[in-house]
Formats: sequence, C-alpha cells, structure tokens
Amino acid sequence: GESVGLHLPTLSVQEGDNSIINCAYSNSASDYFIWYKQESGKGPQFIIDIRSNMDKRQGQRVTVLLNKTVKHLSLQIAATQPGDSAVYFCADKTGNQFYFGTGTSLTVIP
Amino acid sequence: SQTIHQWPATLVQPVGSPLSLECTVEGTSNPNLYWYRQAAGRGLQLLFYSVGIGQISSEVPQNLSASRPQDRQFILSSKKLLLSDSGFYLCAWSGLAGAHSEQFFGPGTRLTVL
Repeated sequence: GESVGLHLPTLSVQEGDNSIINCAYSNSASDYFIWYKQESGKGPQFIIDIRSNMDKRQGQRVTVLLNKTVKHLSLQIAATQPGDSAVYFCADKTGNQFYFGTGTSLTVIP
Repeated sequence: SQTIHQWPATLVQPVGSPLSLECTVEGTSNPNLYWYRQAAGRGLQLLFYSVGIGQISSEVPQNLSASRPQDRQFILSSKKLLLSDSGFYLCAWSGLAGAHSEQFFGPGTRLTVL
C-alpha cells in the first residue's frame, strides 16, 4: 500500500463488539504481511503477521486474514476494548522494503 | 533482546538550521535500518533504508540525508531545515532480506520547524 498524503479513515465500535479493519496491497510479489498498532505519540507496535502461504492466522483476540487473489488483508479484533483505540497499519514486505497501508483510526466507544 | 533507541524525543528547530537525529539498535547484528516520516494524521513515508554500513537507499528526493557510520547506528541529517520537514520521525530495524521478520520501530522524534 501507499499511505503518503492520505488522511486516515476512521472506524468507531462499541466496547465489546468485534472490529474488522481492512487493507489492500498492490504488489503480488509480497510474501509477508504485518499488522501494526500505533498509539498517539508512539512508534508502531507489532500485532500479528502472516506469510503468503497462509490465509489465516490467529493470535490473542486478533485474527489476520489474507486473500491473495484480490490482494486484501484484514485484521479482526474480538471483544474490542478501550485500550484497542489506536491507528492500525498493515504492511507488506518485498525484499528489504516494507510498504505501509493508509492506516485506520479505531475508536472504541465505552 | 533487541532494543532500538532514538533521540531526541522532541525537537524544535528554526527554519534554515541543521538537523541530526540519531538511532541506535542493540541486541542484533547487521540489521536493515529505516527512517520514516509521519505527518499528523497520515501514514508512514519511507525516507531512507540501509542494508549495511555506508549503504543508503533514498526513497524520496528532499533536503534530508542519512548515514550509517556503524552497523547499528543510523543518522538522519539536514543542512537547512524547511517548514515542511516538521513531522514525527521513526527509525526501524528488521532482519535480513528474504527473512520473514517484521520491523521494530523506535519511540520516534517529534520535530517542529518554526
């Protein structure tokens, strides 16, 4: 993805609901994908990753889905909590370079 | 364990002044190193990356430069800052090319050019 210059899309969810954040990538040669969480004023933090030979991977309360056919990545957060409020970025890797998506600003409503 | 440091955390500089931001990594050898800039409410813009000492790839032509004098040290510089250089600067490292290794980000430097 290419995120430069784009305003962040936003997503608001009720506490306890599930969140789904979507991301599209453009390079069919990308073989590794990552989701990051960035809180205000901090650097991005790794959430979960997935290799191109997989289509689903689960972590604690998070699931990443990869659809290589349409070059689409999603992050599902179960039982969203106020502490999940942050900006979420996807990234795909080709060689040495990481390409970041636009980012989505998630707000959890108590 | 690996740690990445950036300093300073915040910086306010006048237009036309020089800049030097430093990033160091501990606990790993021969990392790939990256400099990103993030404007408020925007995504990450890759500025430079380095696969080894003295090896710098520039992604965006601008008045910034980068240097890697040591394996685990990455420096972002400018001779004369512009107002448009304001932003949140992030340093990151990752494993070798081809490895399924994520990037680890530093805490960032908030630069304000006045």
